[in-house]
Amino acid sequence: SAVISQKPSRDICQRGTSLTIQCQVDSQVTMMFWYRQQPGQSLTLIATANQGSEATYESGFVIDKFPISRPNLTFSTLTVSNMSPEDSSIYLCSVGDRAYEQYFGPGTRLTVT
Amino acid sequence: GNSVTQMEGPVTLSEEAFLTINCTYTATGYPSLFWYVQYPGEGLQLLLKATKADDKGSNKGFEATYRKETTSFHLEKGSVQVSDSAVYFCALRRSPGAQKLVFGQGTRLTINP
Repeated sequence: SAVISQKPSRDICQRGTSLTIQCQVDSQVTMMFWYRQQPGQSLTLIATANQGSEATYESGFVIDKFPISRPNLTFSTLTVSNMSPEDSSIYLCSVGDRAYEQYFGPGTRLTVT
Repeated sequence: GNSVTQMEGPVTLSEEAFLTINCTYTATGYPSLFWYVQYPGEGLQLLLKATKADDKGSNKGFEATYRKETTSFHLEKGSVQVSDSAVYFCALRRSPGAQKLVFGQGTRLTINP
């Protein structure tokens, strides 16, 4: 399985600011995903990060709020824009392998004040 | 649509007790089923999986059997340990070629010595 790292591991941000979360994988992967885990809740898929094209967003998530970059097969970023306290969550990056299994990074714990 | 329902938590057991965490699903076609575990402060780890009816996934003493007739994938362990304390998520993937995972709400398990 791939080794996935995320930066930062946690952050406290002020309302109205933006935070960019990085996801780095130790091998080339085709599929990368971003999830949100709100406090005490399950995981919700935000978008699929596609290399060389725009991300594919799930219902309820828009590019203006969660812009995603995927410059190569080992790296992706998720930006949480114009943050509000409702954006306080854990954001997780995951990757899919050839067997369509998904492996998750350690997550970024975001608190918006 | 596709959905996963887990038994409500939290669940608290004594060490060496028998564990069952119920999971039922709603899906069209033939989904693959997964159990993920999230230890405190960490990301999700794939615990076990089953890709077709009557398959049994197993890992670290945990087992789950894909029951199509009851649309269930209950997680069991014969003798739990304190180190099993974590949040457990049941998830499905709609079809073999699909990547999107749909998660249940998670069940927090605490094992007391």
